[in-house]
Amino acid sequence: EAQVTQNPRYLITVTGKKLTVTCSQNMNHEYMSWYRQDPGLGLRQIYYSMNVEVTDKGDVPEGYKVSRKEKRNFPLILESPSPNQTSLYFCASSSYEVNTEAFFGQGTRLTVV
Amino acid sequence: AQKVTQAQTEISVVEKEDVTLDCVYETRDTTYYLFWYKQPPSGELVFLIRRNSFDEQNEISGRYSWNFQKSTSSFNFTITASQVVDSAVYFCALWPDSGNTPLVFGKGTRLSVIA
Repeated sequence: EAQVTQNPRYLITVTGKKLTVTCSQNMNHEYMSWYRQDPGLGLRQIYYSMNVEVTDKGDVPEGYKVSRKEKRNFPLILESPSPNQTSLYFCASSSYEVNTEAFFGQGTRLTVV
Repeated sequence: AQKVTQAQTEISVVEKEDVTLDCVYETRDTTYYLFWYKQPPSGELVFLIRRNSFDEQNEISGRYSWNFQKSTSSFNFTITASQVVDSAVYFCALWPDSGNTPLVFGKGTRLSVIA
């Protein structure tokens, strides 16, 4: 089954404690990205990757890091989380082929206290 | 710049009514893709449709239909005979084909269907 898997689904952490949200896809997609969703702001892109070892900033990259060492994995790293990073996070992947959708993970609800 | 505007923040309808969700987009690209996603209360994003800029045919899928009009840069979504299960937040999104550009989302429309 084609899917994007994020872990964990829920996370409560304290300010400053480094964390990683994992994202893995099984569709051999080139393109992967991370979004955060906040009330009234919709989904905003944090980082994206066009392929292995190629990453770039989206609209709201501050406070986040990513890596793309393998095609299937695209982890999101918060080196020193702060309360303003409390949000719902989505990982997405897509192929460049015509008429394919962008597949989304189930979301990670992060609370930083 | 790429932009998607969903002017309706919230809509409430009574079950069985028809409802149209508006989406207006801005892009300078000639090739681009438009999407609609549904986000039910459980939180996941459910893909509904993808349309490329060269295909202006309207599409119908059961109670759902989409009206794509390049002349007005709109990609509206209509639900016919709405049901309570249609209650969700609906997002319109734009993906330009010009290299390193992200999928740009509108802010969403929250639809409440009341029994």
